[in-house]
Parts: sequence; structure tokens; C-alpha cells
Amino acid sequence: QAVLTQPSSLSASPGGSASLTCTLRSDITVDTYWIYWYQQKPGSPPQYLLRYKSDSDKEQGSGVPSRFSGSKDASANAGILLISGLQSEDEADYYCMIWHNSAYMFGGGTKLTVL
Amino acid sequence: QVQLVQSGAEVKKPGASVKVSCKASGYTFASYGISWVRQAPGQGLEWMGWISPYNGDTNFAQKLQGRVTMTTDTSTSTAYMQLRSLRSDDTAVYYCGRVWSGNEFDYWGQGTLVTVST
Repeated sequence: QAVLTQPSSLSASPGGSASLTCTLRSDITVDTYWIYWYQQKPGSPPQYLLRYKSDSDKEQGSGVPSRFSGSKDASANAGILLISGLQSEDEADYYCMIWHNSAYMFGGGTKLTVL
Repeated sequence: QVQLVQSGAEVKKPGASVKVSCKASGYTFASYGISWVRQAPGQGLEWMGWISPYNGDTNFAQKLQGRVTMTTDTSTSTAYMQLRSLRSDDTAVYYCGRVWSGNEFDYWGQGTLVTVST
């Protein structure tokens, strides 16, 4: 079983919100991890968005709009990237990442379509 | 401004080696680690390993241990990633990324396509 699981795709409407989930394998608890989020557009390298551990431990990437925010759902053992006020330019692949057992682990990515 | 500029695309035969460079500018190179991440065509991101330019410490993904080497040249602010015994499934875009203070990869190179083919 993969360490991080992301839905392969998600669709949302312009002006609306999208909640992208990153579910941790059941033997590791989301509470103790920083969750990192990256955005990648076709033909470009990933771009760092933010990292989130708790409401008191979080950091926005430089220049990243505040409509990108992080949270956790402990009951689902998942990290969440919330994008509000969706714009067409938000259409991209989104990857979560954690540092686990002395290695960085990426989720499989979610393709967000804004239509 | 911070920049990471990678070397150009490579085509290699199975069994060969490839060495990709990543030249940093706009910050103190020795102060922050460099991670390497690859992405096979149409696939997700895979972390390969990390190197500290300060002291040369490395940490590799278990899957690649024994085939990958990472080095740095602080005199030219350049990081290198060498992958040996190439296979067709090593075909990917290889990225370097600066590891910032919170362990995030805040700046990335433009990517280097490595194609392994007979």
C-alpha cells in the first residue's frame, strides 16, 4: 500500500472551491507530519505551495496566494489542500509530500480540472 | 534571484550511466541541501535522494541505493547526480530542487530529460 494516496482527478467550477486530499497509510498518523503541497503545470517543474502541520504550525510559500490553504482531517488520516476562488490558472497537477523514515515520499498526484 | 539551471537532455543506451548537473545561483550554495526528483512520462514525482553541499552528506531512496551517486562542487555552486546501469524505466525528467529551511523544495531546476533506449 502506498504511503500517500491522492485521488487521481478532481473537477471544480471557476469561482468555487476544491478540496484535495492526501491520505496517509493507516500505520502512520497524520498528526505528527508536516504535509507539503506542490503544483505542477504541463511542461514545467513543480512549484512549492505551502506546508502544514497544524493551525499554529504552517507556512505559505513565497508569493503563493492566500486562497491556497492547508488543513488536516484526523478522522480520515489525511492532509487537505483547499483552493478557494478557483481560477482557470489553477488547473494543474497537485502533489502532497511528507518526510517519512528518512525519505521524502510523494503522493501520486491529483489532476485538478477547472470547468 | 535564486536559480537552478540544469544540463541538457541526454540519450543513453541500457547499461550506460548518465550524469546530470544543477548549477545554483542567487544564494549561498553551501547553506542548503539539494534534492533530486524524477518524473517518468505521464507519471508522478519520485524522490531520488538528497545531498548537503556543506559537508557532502547524502541520503538516497532505498530503491536507487547502489546505482545513484550525488556530489557537489562548491567552487562552482553545482550539484551532480549520476545514475548507473540505466534501464528503460529510468527514462524520465530529472529535477533538482533546493531544500529550504522547513525541508520544502522551494526552487526547482527546469528539468533534464534522460531517455534510455536501444
